[in-house]
Amino acid sequence: DARVTQTPRHKVTEMGQEVTMRCQPILGHNTVFWYRQTMMQGLELLAYFRNRAPLDDSGMPKDRFSAEMPDATLATLKIQPSEPRDSAVYFCASGLSQTGHPGNTIYFGEGSWLTVV
Amino acid sequence: TQLLEQSPQFLSIQEGENLTVYCNSSSVFSSLQWYRQEPGEGPVLLVTVVTGGEVKKLKRLTFQFGDARKDSSLHITAAQPGDTGLYLCAGVDGGANSKLTFGKGITLSVRP
Repeated sequence: DARVTQTPRHKVTEMGQEVTMRCQPILGHNTVFWYRQTMMQGLELLAYFRNRAPLDDSGMPKDRFSAEMPDATLATLKIQPSEPRDSAVYFCASGLSQTGHPGNTIYFGEGSWLTVV
Repeated sequence: TQLLEQSPQFLSIQEGENLTVYCNSSSVFSSLQWYRQEPGEGPVLLVTVVTGGEVKKLKRLTFQFGDARKDSSLHITAAQPGDTGLYLCAGVDGGANSKLTFGKGITLSVRP
C-alpha cells in the first residue's frame, strides 16, 4: 500500500536547536509539498517541488527555514534555529503533475508533530 | 493570495441529521477539492470538482461547485458518527504550477 512516509512523527526540542524533518514521497510521484498546520492558520503551503526543482517557497520564512530534495525519494525541511512559534504539525504530500486534475490525487503523510519549548 | 473561507467553523449535530457546509472565495479556481482529516492523520482527498455547476455524489455526501467556480458546498445526508472530522476545501489555481490553497476547515462532530 503506497504511502507518504514522514519522520520523525513527534519531536520536542529546545528553542535555538536545529530541526530536520524528512519525507519519502510515493514512488513515481514527481511533485512534493510541505505544509504546516496550526489551529490559528490552518494548512499553509511552505514549499513545493516538481521533478526535484523548487517551484514555490514563498510561504516559507527564508531566514530560518530551508527545503530541499536531495533525490527523488527524499525531501527535507529544516528549521535553524527553531523558535516556539514554529510549533505545529508539518505535513508532506506527494502527487503527479497537474495537481487538482480529477485524475491526480495528492497524498498526505501522517505529519511530523513539532513542539519547540 | 487566494483565500478560501469555510463556514461554519464548528458544527455539532445529532446522528441522522442533514447538514450543509460552505467554502467561499472571491477568486476563480480551475478546480476545487474537498478533504477530510481525522485526528493524528493527514488530510485525505474526498472529491475534485472542475466544471462550474458540477455536482458529485459520494455515498451520503453531495458536493457542488458554484457556477462561477468561486465557491462550493458539501451536503451530508443522515450524518453518522463516522463522518466526524475536519473538512477542508482546497482551491487549485489555473497556473502551470497548479498550486493548492486550503481553507481553515470545518470541524464536524456527529453525536450518536
